[in-house]
Amino acid sequence: ILNVEQSPQSLHVQEGDSTNFTCSFPSSNFYALHWYRWETAKSPEALFVMTLNGDEKKKGRISATLNTKEGYSYLYIKGSQPEDSATYLCAFPSVNNAGNMLTFGGGTRLMVKP
Amino acid sequence: SAVISQKPSRDICQRGTSLTIQCQVDSQVTMMFWYRQQPGQSLTLIATANQGSEATYESGFVIDKFPISRPNLTFSTLTVSNMSPEDSSIYLCSVGYQGVSTEAFFGQGTRLTVV
Repeated sequence: ILNVEQSPQSLHVQEGDSTNFTCSFPSSNFYALHWYRWETAKSPEALFVMTLNGDEKKKGRISATLNTKEGYSYLYIKGSQPEDSATYLCAFPSVNNAGNMLTFGGGTRLMVKP
Repeated sequence: SAVISQKPSRDICQRGTSLTIQCQVDSQVTMMFWYRQQPGQSLTLIATANQGSEATYESGFVIDKFPISRPNLTFSTLTVSNMSPEDSSIYLCSVGYQGVSTEAFFGQGTRLTVV
């Protein structure tokens, strides 16, 4: 059983604050790490798929880093906006022919107050 | 990419009854997956829906409780049978493509409450 953990479980920030959360995963047999954003009543949407140690990816105000040797990834949001309120999930894909069979962390629920 | 329509979006059901959740994909996909998120818990894989053969269930999930159909490459259903309050969860279908660096796509989820 893979152990994928996220912290914190929830986070309340004011509009304009920058924030970050953590995903830890097994450092052995690493292949990729996925980040998803899940708004209530909507489909989870992929933010990043990270594969290389030291990877840093950016999409607008959101960025992510990856350390495969120590088994963690950080997601950063710069200047949080109310529309950033969502649950952020990291997921560790399995390595077989079943496509993206994912083991998820518990998620970080972000609430941005105007 | 794939667009997935999942129905119903939510339901409130009596214990002992069954609910069937449907997922329709806008393109043919080989692999479809069903996940569950119980309150305060992680999204957990229930089973892989295989076209033309029985679903592959993860540890702790059985076919009698969660029968799955996959009649073609664009459609799947998950039934939650003989429901109890412990089945109150969000159920999510997903499609995936081979390759761990390929993102997955998801339905909108079904929020089930069993009373």
